[in-house]
Amino acid sequence: EAGVAQSPRYKIIEKRQSVAFWCNPISGHATLYWYQQILGQGPKLLIQFQNNGVVDDSQLPKDRFSAERLKGVDSTLKIQPAKLEDSAVYLCASSGLAGVFTDTQYFGPGTRLTVL
Amino acid sequence: GENVEQHPSTLSVQEGDSAVIKCTYSDSASNYFPWYKQELGKRPQLIIDIRSNVGEKKDQRIAVTLNKTAKHFSLHITETQPEDSAVYFCAASLSGGYNKLIFGAGTRLAVHP
Repeated sequence: EAGVAQSPRYKIIEKRQSVAFWCNPISGHATLYWYQQILGQGPKLLIQFQNNGVVDDSQLPKDRFSAERLKGVDSTLKIQPAKLEDSAVYLCASSGLAGVFTDTQYFGPGTRLTVL
Repeated sequence: GENVEQHPSTLSVQEGDSAVIKCTYSDSASNYFPWYKQELGKRPQLIIDIRSNVGEKKDQRIAVTLNKTAKHFSLHITETQPEDSAVYFCAASLSGGYNKLIFGAGTRLAVHP
């Protein structure tokens, strides 16, 4: 099966600019996750969707970050305005089998964001 | 808040030796513990996972053990090979969350020929 797709793979912007990332999960997967991975750290969950509804966004900096998952498939994550500390790899993951409490999460290749 | 501690942060072994990475978690209701391998510039990939109803699971050269009483779990890699060199992350599920994971900080494993 095809894996999780993300674009772009790399992005360099200046602080206070805006940026958007795109994710296409594995076909049929109901749950989609956005993680932030700062260099030298483990992934940190930003937001989790079940179909097109938000399940958890407790760690999403809502003053600058937003995300949507229209039609319960693709998702976009936006940062506006960006800060230097937003430099990180943004990973998208998906898991299938809606209703299964613990299920394998499959990760995309990530988008490496550099904020100058 | 809940957290997962992972040790060591770096590990260097000779090819053929064994490697052990340990994690402790704080949420006593955690019941799912996956391990991911991340090569440089690539996506994290699941290598093995364990659920709370078993104490050990093995897949060829990789094994994971779980001690729920002590709230720790470990990854064991035997007969290490240079291609095992990567960053390994442990994770634990959180109670009250739908398939929500909290990750450790990672262990950079280097296997020297």
